[in-house]
Amino acid sequence: SFELTQPPSVSVSPGQTARITCSGDALSGQFVYWYQQKSGQAPIVVIYKDTKRPPGILERFSGSTSGRTVTLTISGVQAEDEADYYCHSSDSSGTWVFGGGTKLTVL
Amino acid sequence: QVQLVQSGADVKKPGASVKVSCKTSGDTFSNYEINWVRQATGQGLEWMGWMNPNSGNTGYAQKFQGRVTMTRDTPTRTAYMELRSLRSDDTAVYYCARSGEMGFDSWGQGTLVTVSS
Repeated sequence: SFELTQPPSVSVSPGQTARITCSGDALSGQFVYWYQQKSGQAPIVVIYKDTKRPPGILERFSGSTSGRTVTLTISGVQAEDEADYYCHSSDSSGTWVFGGGTKLTVL
Repeated sequence: QVQLVQSGADVKKPGASVKVSCKTSGDTFSNYEINWVRQATGQGLEWMGWMNPNSGNTGYAQKFQGRVTMTRDTPTRTAYMELRSLRSDDTAVYYCARSGEMGFDSWGQGTLVTVSS
């Protein structure tokens, strides 16, 4: 089955850069989406199709891809970026999968 | 502006069924697939399946095959997700989400389903 692997947690100090990785055998050739979920809220898209930023998402959020690993980078992390982040992709049959999620802690 | 408004929280006994609704507004109902995603307390997001509101076609995650049905009522622009043979580990917040070019770009507010005897 199709799986996406993320680190359970990432911690950074304010102003530093946070990098959250997502890896999976089927990622090569499939678009990846990143969601931010704050406590008690529905997720929102912060990156779509690997590297694109939706309207209204700050420039400090960026995405990159290299083979079977994609990375969400948050530059100049702020306290309000503390949240859970999920990668999301589909396989060729249209089955969607979420990564296990990464809790970003701003120290 | 697309809005997805879900039905309220529900409590069910083990073995029962639950049907959650997701009413859409602000965009053409038939243009985008509706997905259902659930999240147990303190856990991650789990995709359950999709439905094409135009054709009624569906696709379900293997884990839920045979236990879930996704339907729609086009005149009221409402999508439904029914989960049967409920167990305690089905206790979760259930979300509907529209899938478009930017991924799951609009979400409902979530519906808490509690399964308890």
